Amino acid sequence: QVQLEESGPGLVKPSETLSLTCTVSGGSISSYYWSWIRQPAGKGLEWIGRIYPRERTNYNPSLKSRVTMSIDTSKNHFSLKLSSVTAADTAVYYCAGQVVSYYFDYWGQGTLVTVSS
Amino acid sequence: SYVLTQPPSVSVAPGKTAKITCGGNIIGSENIHWYQQKPGQAPVLVIYFDSDRPSGIPERFSGSNSGNTATLTITRVEAGDEADYYCQVWDTSSDSYVFGTGTKVTVL
Repeated sequence: QVQLEESGPGLVKPSETLSLTCTVSGGSISSYYWSWIRQPAGKGLEWIGRIYPRERTNYNPSLKSRVTMSIDTSKNHFSLKLSSVTAADTAVYYCAGQVVSYYFDYWGQGTLVTVSS
Repeated sequence: SYVLTQPPSVSVAPGKTAKITCGGNIIGSENIHWYQQKPGQAPVLVIYFDSDRPSGIPERFSGSNSGNTATLTITRVEAGDEADYYCQVWDTSSDSYVFGTGTKVTVL
């Protein structure tokens, strides 16, 4: 069973870069699709981006200019960088895994990132 | 980008049937997936490809998709079904995943 765990700072200053890592266990990181999804408190889910075999990426058009995703197969983890953050980026960030590209089979428990000075 | 519209809330008595809709332009031509999210927890996939159930999801959960509306149906509702439910598609026009606005199901 694939398990995912997010890690990274819980507090980021405005205008700085949010950086999160998702460590994958129980499955091959080279075989699946991997996404980041976020959820502001009391609001719905917003897909941020995905990375998949041969390090191809797709990003949410509304965030594309600020998002970078990468993958490190040697460490079995993938990462998210979101630049120039504002308070509107405060949310629980989830990493998710996909066996096929259409839907999200596996989810991390989520990590709260607060943007504040 | 593609927009998926859900009713904000649905209330249902225990043992009854809950229907949660997801509206979108010609949604019947898309593959719809549904997630259940309980407070403080990550979402869980409950229906994929319109009507398939992952292992471990009760048969009480079913889905359909036609025209401009997809529907998640929960029969014989239990207190443990109280949660937020989200529909989701892959939008080929923007190469991005889109989630519905979410529906809070309250068991009376």
